Amino acid sequence: QVQLQESGPGLVKPSGTLSLTCAVSGGSISSSNWWSWIRQPPGKGLEWIGEIYHSGSTNYNPSLKSRVTISVDKSKNQFSLKLSSVTAADTAVYYCARTGVNVGAFDIWGQGTMVTVSS
Amino acid sequence: DIQLTQSPSFLSASVGDRVTITCRASQGISSYLAWYQQKPGKAPKLLIYAASTLQSGVPSRFSGSGSGTEFTLTISSLQPEDFATYYCQQLNSYPQTFGGGTKVEIK
Repeated sequence: QVQLQESGPGLVKPSGTLSLTCAVSGGSISSSNWWSWIRQPPGKGLEWIGEIYHSGSTNYNPSLKSRVTISVDKSKNQFSLKLSSVTAADTAVYYCARTGVNVGAFDIWGQGTMVTVSS
Repeated sequence: DIQLTQSPSFLSASVGDRVTITCRASQGISSYLAWYQQKPGKAPKLLIYAASTLQSGVPSRFSGSGSGTEFTLTISSLQPEDFATYYCQQLNSYPQTFGGGTKVEIK
């Protein structure tokens, strides 16, 4: 049973860089899946940030592309998100998720981690 | 970007009711649509993918239909554990986008 667990600072200063990691357990990040980051501001809907394949191929949401970097560390079986130049608008719960191979949708999600941008 | 419009945004219903939620896409997305259920403080849970395929372990009272630009999620007999917010998501083209959500509350 594959499980995902997000980790990282819960508080980031404005203009700083948000950094999160998603640890994959119970399976390999090198399987034939894409791995995504999704966020949800308090009381609002879901926004897809971007995704990565174990080869390092990425796709990003154009609305965030200039500030986002997603990377993979196969040796640690994890992938990471960096979001630069953050503002209060980046305050959200950040989820990592897996796109199921035969499903084509997010079939496994992490529990989410709240990140607040504030001085 | 493809816009997804869910209706209604809020729904009040009773246990045992048949509930239908609609998701309309701003352009055709074939059957590349998924539905998720989210409860407060929890991650979304996949219910349906490819517009009408029930995810493993999801009760059969949930069903999905549609293709192109109009899709529906139906709960045949609402149960107490079904009170939640439901989101549609298109996977036809990048960026993947979500609908604004439909909150189902107890009448």
